[in-house]
Amino acid sequence: AQTVTQSQPEMSVQEAETVTLSCTYDTSENNYYLFWYKQPPSRQMILVIRQEAYKQQNATENRFSVNFQKAAKSFSLKISDSQLGDTAMYFCALDMRFGAGTRLTVKP
Amino acid sequence: DTEVTQTPKHLVMGMTNKKSLKCEQHMGHRAMYWYKQKAKKPPELMFVYSYEKLSINESVPSRFSPECPNSSLLNLHLHALQPEDSALYLCASSQPLTSGRYNEQFFGPGTRLTVL
Repeated sequence: AQTVTQSQPEMSVQEAETVTLSCTYDTSENNYYLFWYKQPPSRQMILVIRQEAYKQQNATENRFSVNFQKAAKSFSLKISDSQLGDTAMYFCALDMRFGAGTRLTVKP
Repeated sequence: DTEVTQTPKHLVMGMTNKKSLKCEQHMGHRAMYWYKQKAKKPPELMFVYSYEKLSINESVPSRFSPECPNSSLLNLHLHALQPEDSALYLCASSQPLTSGRYNEQFFGPGTRLTVL
């Protein structure tokens, strides 16, 4: 069975600072995809970043980057230069299974 | 068009009613999903259709009946629901990969369902 664990229910960060959200997972598969999704208070879920397990290079998308440690089954999200619009629930997902989420608040 | 649309936005129904939720996408995706999301919780996978065939049913009660009439449409038929079924129902679509995995999903805004 696949499981995804996000151990930080809530986090906050000052605007322009950097924050890292943690995610660990478990799977017996060797080839899989990991995702971070963002769900703002308006509730439309959107993709932030994705990582293919067979790629060793960490994915980056502008201010968002991941630290993918396959052996440790860890997949953290780093948000640099945090902006007020980054305030949202962030879900880590393994294929189509979601973690419990981390509520991130960016403070002015 | 990179949008997934869902209708209705809100639905209130009694426990004896029959209603349907609709989802549509025009991105050429061949996988479509239904999720149930309770407040402050993650989406829970209910059903997956791949190439218009039901490929995953997460042991969902039979009072929820999915249907995929064609590659762009996905319906969720509701009958004899319980108050605990009240939730946000999200539809998503993605492109299946040749490896058998699924690519990133595009989500609709959801239907807010209240069962009285």
